[in-house]
Amino acid sequence: RKEVEQDPGPFNVPEGATVAFNCTYSNSASQSFFWYRQDCRKEPKLLMSVYSSGNEDGRFTAQLNRASQYISLLIRDSKLSDSATYLCVVTGGAGNNRKLIWGLGTSLAVNP
Amino acid sequence: GAVVSQHPSWVICKSGTSVKIECRSLDFQATTMFWYRQFPKQSLMLMATSNEGSKATYEQGVEKDKFLINHASLTLSTLTVTSAHPEDSSFYICSAPLAGSKETQYFGPGTRLLVL
Repeated sequence: RKEVEQDPGPFNVPEGATVAFNCTYSNSASQSFFWYRQDCRKEPKLLMSVYSSGNEDGRFTAQLNRASQYISLLIRDSKLSDSATYLCVVTGGAGNNRKLIWGLGTSLAVNP
Repeated sequence: GAVVSQHPSWVICKSGTSVKIECRSLDFQATTMFWYRQFPKQSLMLMATSNEGSKATYEQGVEKDKFLINHASLTLSTLTVTSAHPEDSSFYICSAPLAGSKETQYFGPGTRLLVL
């Protein structure tokens, strides 16, 4: 089983749609969780951290379910500029060996 | 915000040559930098952790003699791909954390390497 699993998509949605991405992780000891966005041929950029209480940033809502080892990202009122690959990232290891574990990413295409 | 630069942004080289990639933190000091590699349609894979003033820590399966890392100053880490082969063609990205946090990382724009 992969350490971080995501549905690769692609998700094709019209402008204004609401779309949700899911991610599962295998290491129950993971402490921190993130969603990154990566545009084609570019470096990843941090979209938001994910907290147990859930967090919202404008049109984006992230949630964490530790019991199910599951993370989600909800995008409301999607824009053309939201088209990108969304990467689920969790921390793995401990102490000095702590590092980021990356999912394969979910591709989103928002269509006019 | 913090900025990390990489140079070159892309490089094409012949098989057997060595390629050096630079990663610089522009407005902050980074005692640690990370080197990732991303193949098409794959996730980012951590190759090694670069430590200023000491040896790099390589991930399992990454050949330290092939991927030479030097972190000579608090703002510069270099990755040299020695005797490059076509299978080394990939997108190489560096990152640097702020204030010793491994979790909040600032990424360079990446270097696209094509080995012919």
